[in-house]
Amino acid sequence: AQSVAQPEDQVNVAEGNPLTVKCTYSVSGNPYLFWYVQYPNRGLQFLLKYITGDNLVKGSYGFEAEFNKSQTSFHLKKPSALVSDSALYFCAVRDTGNTPLVFGKGTRLSVIA
Amino acid sequence: DAGVIQSPRHEVTEMGQEVTLRCKPISGHNSLFWYRQTMMRGLELLIYFNNNVPIDDSGMPEDRFSAKMPNASFSTLKIQPSEPRDSAVYFCASRIAGVSYNEQFFGPGTRLTVL
Repeated sequence: AQSVAQPEDQVNVAEGNPLTVKCTYSVSGNPYLFWYVQYPNRGLQFLLKYITGDNLVKGSYGFEAEFNKSQTSFHLKKPSALVSDSALYFCAVRDTGNTPLVFGKGTRLSVIA
Repeated sequence: DAGVIQSPRHEVTEMGQEVTLRCKPISGHNSLFWYRQTMMRGLELLIYFNNNVPIDDSGMPEDRFSAKMPNASFSTLKIQPSEPRDSAVYFCASRIAGVSYNEQFFGPGTRLTVL
């Protein structure tokens, strides 16, 4: 069975500082990994995904994520946080087929000016 | 493309009433998903369809919940009778099935309040 863990419910970071939102996964096959962002009163928006190849994936709004197979992690990162990055972030995984994405519980990011 | 369209955006109803939520997936997408989001339980998958056929409805909380997809461009989620604990934001999402790395696209959600 596939699963995703986001160990932090809340991450606080000062504006301009680097940010990391953690995600670990468990799948039986090769993982396809995704990050989504949810702003208040909005639906989930796709940020980026890992398919294969380069372990560093770049996505929207300056976000990137690093795939680490040995640690089964896919942490979301940004070099310099903005107040507007404050939102709820979800990590998700799928291994194969037509199955739905399996989402983590979400991490609330708060960027303080 | 207009993206996934959901209606209504907000629904306030009284306990015992029937509620119908609607979703129009992105044209060409053949997988459709219904999710529920609450503070307590987070994001829950209720049911999903591939090519208009329900594949897994194990997330549907009770028999009061039902979902249909009569054609490729329309789906409904019905709650009858509604209860206060059904209050949540309900999301619809769609994707192109058959490719494992395709992302799901989410609609804006319907905020349901049952009084």
